[in-house]
Amino acid sequence: NAGVMQNPRHLVRRRGQEARLRCSPMKGHSHVYWYRQLPEEGLKFMVYLQKENIIDESGMPKERFSAEFPKEGPSILRIQQVVRGDSAAYFCASSPPSASTGYEQYFGPGTRLTVT
Amino acid sequence: GIQVEQSPPDLILQEGANSTLRCNFSDSVNNLQWFHQNPWGQLINLFYIPSGTKQNGRLSATTVATERYSLLYISSSQTTDSGVYFCAVKVRGRRALTFGSGTRLQVQP
Repeated sequence: NAGVMQNPRHLVRRRGQEARLRCSPMKGHSHVYWYRQLPEEGLKFMVYLQKENIIDESGMPKERFSAEFPKEGPSILRIQQVVRGDSAAYFCASSPPSASTGYEQYFGPGTRLTVT
Repeated sequence: GIQVEQSPPDLILQEGANSTLRCNFSDSVNNLQWFHQNPWGQLINLFYIPSGTKQNGRLSATTVATERYSLLYISSSQTTDSGVYFCAVKVRGRRALTFGSGTRLQVQP
């Protein structure tokens, strides 16, 4: 059973470009979460999505950041007009739909975004 | 929001030593997870432990929810245990995990 998959693993963008990060949840998982880890810091929650719905985006910056989880295909985190401060590791996690496991989250390997 | 504090922030051990990492949280939680972030940056699930005690090999964890803390025990440490250990909690009504700032462990041969 494949784990959470993220691509690309490393992404370099120049200031002002767009970054698109992809996440495929574990098989059978329908809940996806995105977290950001700045250098030497812990992870910070950004957004929680179910298929075709954003459930909680309280951690998303108000501008330039958006997320989606379409009916078909991976979840996408999109950052428009990147700035140097966006350089970070972006982690995706998924959890099963059942409450029996307390919605335990499993993390992907992360995408390391570098803005030059 | 909920506060999560981990101690110690840094820990250096000799191979074979035992250690205890602590996680305190400021409010009631219904999910607590421990993770190991290895030197390559990958997050590995160690325990899902909202209450009680669990053991997995040389690692064990205990959460005392009523007193708002959790402990992670590492016995007979190995160099491969090096990395950062994170505690993360979830409060009722939300799915987001709130992470502590981690304990950075270095195990020396």
